[in-house]
Amino acid sequence: GDSVTQMEGPVTLSEEAFLTINCTYTATGYPSLFWYVQYPGEGLQLLLKATKADDKGSNKGFEATYRKETTSFHLEKGSVQVSDSAVYFCALATGGFQKLVFGTGTRLLVSP
Amino acid sequence: GAVVSQHPSRVICKSGTSVKIECRSLDFQATTMFWYRQFPKKSLMLMATSNEGSKATYEQGVEKDKFLINHASLTLSTLTVTSAHPEDSSFYICSATPGTGNQPQHFGDGTRLSIL
Repeated sequence: GDSVTQMEGPVTLSEEAFLTINCTYTATGYPSLFWYVQYPGEGLQLLLKATKADDKGSNKGFEATYRKETTSFHLEKGSVQVSDSAVYFCALATGGFQKLVFGTGTRLLVSP
Repeated sequence: GAVVSQHPSRVICKSGTSVKIECRSLDFQATTMFWYRQFPKKSLMLMATSNEGSKATYEQGVEKDKFLINHASLTLSTLTVTSAHPEDSSFYICSATPGTGNQPQHFGDGTRLSIL
C-alpha cells in the first residue's frame, strides 16, 4: 500500500539555521504530495503542496520539490525562526485529495 | 477562508460515558469529512470518511459501533465515542473538503479526550 517515510526527530536548530526534513514516499499511480504543520495543541494546517512531478510548493519561506525519480518531497527553509517550532507531517494522496496517508511527523525545535 | 471548527477542544469524563465531538465547516460546504485519531508522538490514523447524507466508511480495525459518525448536513459531522474507556483517550481531529474536485483537506484544531 501507499506509505510515507519521514526522518525521525526531533530536529533541533538554532534560529536562522537552514532546515531540511526528509520525506520519501511509496505509491501506486501519481500521488499529490503535501506538507502539514501542527503547532502544540492544535490541528493540522496545510503548509504547501505539489500535484505533479517537478512542481515546487512554497509558503512562508518553506519549499519542497516533487521529485519523481527519487520519490521524495523534502521540506526546506533557508532561515528558521523560533515560531517555526512545531511538528511537520509529510503526506500523500492519490485519486484526488480524498484520502491522505501521513508520515509519522518530525518535531522541529528552534532555539533563540 | 476554509475554516473548520471542532468542539469541544478538551473533554474529561468518566469511564462508561459517551462523548460527542462536533466538526463544523464555517465558511464552506463540506461534502466529505474525515475523522482521525492521533496517538502521542505518532501520526494521524484515519478512522472513517463520512459523506453528507450517507453512512460513514470506516477503516479496517475501527469499531463502527464504538465510534458513531453522523454527517447530517453539509456543514456538520459528529463523532460519538460510546461507552468510552481509558484506552479511548486520545487526540481526535476532523477535516473537511469543500465541494467536489481536488480540494485539500482543512483540519479542525482537534479534541483532547481523556477518560478517567
